[in-house]
Amino acid sequence: QLQLQESGPGLVKPSETLSLICSVSGGSVSSTNNYWAWIRQPPGKGLEWIGTIYYSGYTYYNPSLKSRLTISIDTCKSEFSLKLTSVTAADTAVYYCARIPSGFDPNWFDPWGQGTLVTVSS
Amino acid sequence: QSALTQPASVSGSPGQSITISCTGTNSDVGAYNYVSWYQQHPGKAPKVIIYDVRSRPSGVSHRFSGSKSGNTAFLTISGLQSEDEADYYCSSYTSSSTVVFGGGTKVTVL
Repeated sequence: QLQLQESGPGLVKPSETLSLICSVSGGSVSSTNNYWAWIRQPPGKGLEWIGTIYYSGYTYYNPSLKSRLTISIDTCKSEFSLKLTSVTAADTAVYYCARIPSGFDPNWFDPWGQGTLVTVSS
Repeated sequence: QSALTQPASVSGSPGQSITISCTGTNSDVGAYNYVSWYQQHPGKAPKVIIYDVRSRPSGVSHRFSGSKSGNTAFLTISGLQSEDEADYYCSSYTSSSTVVFGGGTKVTVL
């Protein structure tokens, strides 16, 4: 079955760039029937959609993060990635990657990765 | 984009039914039948329980059901069980092709 796994540094310094990779197994990121997404959850708080990417590289970003955000996809490696620049403590969160099982109007997430905690601190 | 509005908490006794509301605008909840609901137990990743307002993924209990009226969506849990105690989040597609989540509702089984 499809599985997603986030990886990357657990600690990032303020003003630096947060970089994460989501590795997809049991399926292909090249499927035309799926989109791929990043979602985050600050400790003790709710979920926030970060952005979505299609296999073609087309992206949708959260307007509040757009100026700092890049999501990319590598179909050869079956992975997609997140880069968030100029991070602050407010970016401390558990970051999840997820599949969107739809080929249009990407809107619901299943399955999710287990999540990875990224702390922004000096 | 503003978060969808959910009650902070809802509680019920075992066997009862509870309903969680999720209020948006005519640019998100009211615009499309693209509301989904997620269940999250402590320390775990969220799991989808309803998508497209009222569809249930395979393996999800029939005790969970979804509906929508205007700019408000609803999740009903029937026959409440102890394992239903969790946080629940709604989300909606928006007219800007983005996704917005609700603030979350903590369900307590008394």
